[in-house]
Amino acid sequence: DSGVTQTPKHLITATGQRVTLRCSPRSGDLSVYWYQQSLDQGLQFLIQYYNGEERAKGNILERFSAQQFPDLHSELNLSSLELGDSALYFCASSPHPDRVGEQYFGPGTRLTVT
Amino acid sequence: GENVEQHPSTLSVQEGDSAVIKCTYSDSASNYFPWYKQELGKRPQLIIDIRSNVGEKKDQRIAVTLNKTAKHFSLHITETQPEDSAVYFCAAGMAGGSYIPTFGRGTSLIVHP
Repeated sequence: DSGVTQTPKHLITATGQRVTLRCSPRSGDLSVYWYQQSLDQGLQFLIQYYNGEERAKGNILERFSAQQFPDLHSELNLSSLELGDSALYFCASSPHPDRVGEQYFGPGTRLTVT
Repeated sequence: GENVEQHPSTLSVQEGDSAVIKCTYSDSASNYFPWYKQELGKRPQLIIDIRSNVGEKKDQRIAVTLNKTAKHFSLHITETQPEDSAVYFCAAGMAGGSYIPTFGRGTSLIVHP
């Protein structure tokens, strides 16, 4: 157990809908990262937050947004869902953006869009 | 942007043999190269990493080598065991500031008892 928690574990929804994925970092970690893993695209970095502020942006679609709250938990919002958004979404956390080698992944949320 | 190529996509070895997985990257600004192991249905786990100021790093049966000139890095696993069977991913990015990792497509390692 990495100490990073993600909810829900599984999510099944229809095209056009909106969902919110939640992540709680390990105790003491200030930085949160979001990743998408799909058969088509492989593992992709989406976005990183540090202490509530966006720090780095990767291949995140405009239909997706994220934020990190004052209690350091983070949410990833996916809207106007398409079939191709079906994937495993992982959250990871580290104490600081410079300590990327101390990045631990959560168990993931499996999103199925039908 | 960064492009990471990983080979082979599948690697089958006998228990006790060595396994080598290779990655190439395109952006010379990348300075951090982690390797992850992902078992079926589980989360990726960092197993070893290397920074661009080092040519080789070892941790028990696992080692990583980096050739900055040729822009490639490799994962070496010696004395493989069945529990080493998993998908291995390499990544490259610039640590410090905005770290945006780019991942390889993964190598499925199968260790036969």
